[in-house]
Amino acid sequence: GENVEQHPSTLSVQEGDSAVIKCTYSDSASNYFPWYKQELGKGPQLIIDIRSNVGEKKDQRIAVTLNKTAKHFSLHITETQPEDSAVYFCAPVSGEKLVFGTGTRLLVSP
Amino acid sequence: DGGITQSPKYLFRKEGQNVTLSCEQNLNHDAMYWYRQDPGQGLRLIYYSQIVNDFQKGDIAEGYSVSREKKESFPLTVTSAQKNPTAFYLCASRGTGSWPQHFGDGTRLSIL
Repeated sequence: GENVEQHPSTLSVQEGDSAVIKCTYSDSASNYFPWYKQELGKGPQLIIDIRSNVGEKKDQRIAVTLNKTAKHFSLHITETQPEDSAVYFCAPVSGEKLVFGTGTRLLVSP
Repeated sequence: DGGITQSPKYLFRKEGQNVTLSCEQNLNHDAMYWYRQDPGQGLRLIYYSQIVNDFQKGDIAEGYSVSREKKESFPLTVTSAQKNPTAFYLCASRGTGSWPQHFGDGTRLSIL
């Protein structure tokens, strides 16, 4: 089955700094790569996703980059704000299912 | 508003009892999923269904059961055979052959 690793497990930054979270996966057939944000007591919310026919996608302060050869993709958040503090999950697809990483707790200090 | 509704938000179970968690969606999605989340961990797949009257086991199906009699509904029963049921349970759905997958806001189950 798909093996997904996500790093770092925790990340503390100052407001305005950039944050990068990396996800590696093992299924070479994966073709869909989402990132979810989960706030305390809530369900995960999709913040950005990318498909295997592109290498980068950007949405305002958030971007995702994909390296299919190396089997990893990364979440980039620029100009971080306190409201970005949450747990972030990568979840590459394997067959008809998403396989979730173990999460990264991001803390943005004012 | 379209979305996924999970109820109740909090649920308490006595030892030896079965409990059923509700998940309803009005997104006209064919596929529905149940996940379990333990503190500080990722999501693990319990069961999923890609069409009415059909469902498949996920990675941790033991001690759980599901039904899919209607497109909109995918209830999860936590049986007394599940020895460690305390967790946060999340329901999700998506359109057939399409991503992304959307989540409800979860049910937190605790043992009394």
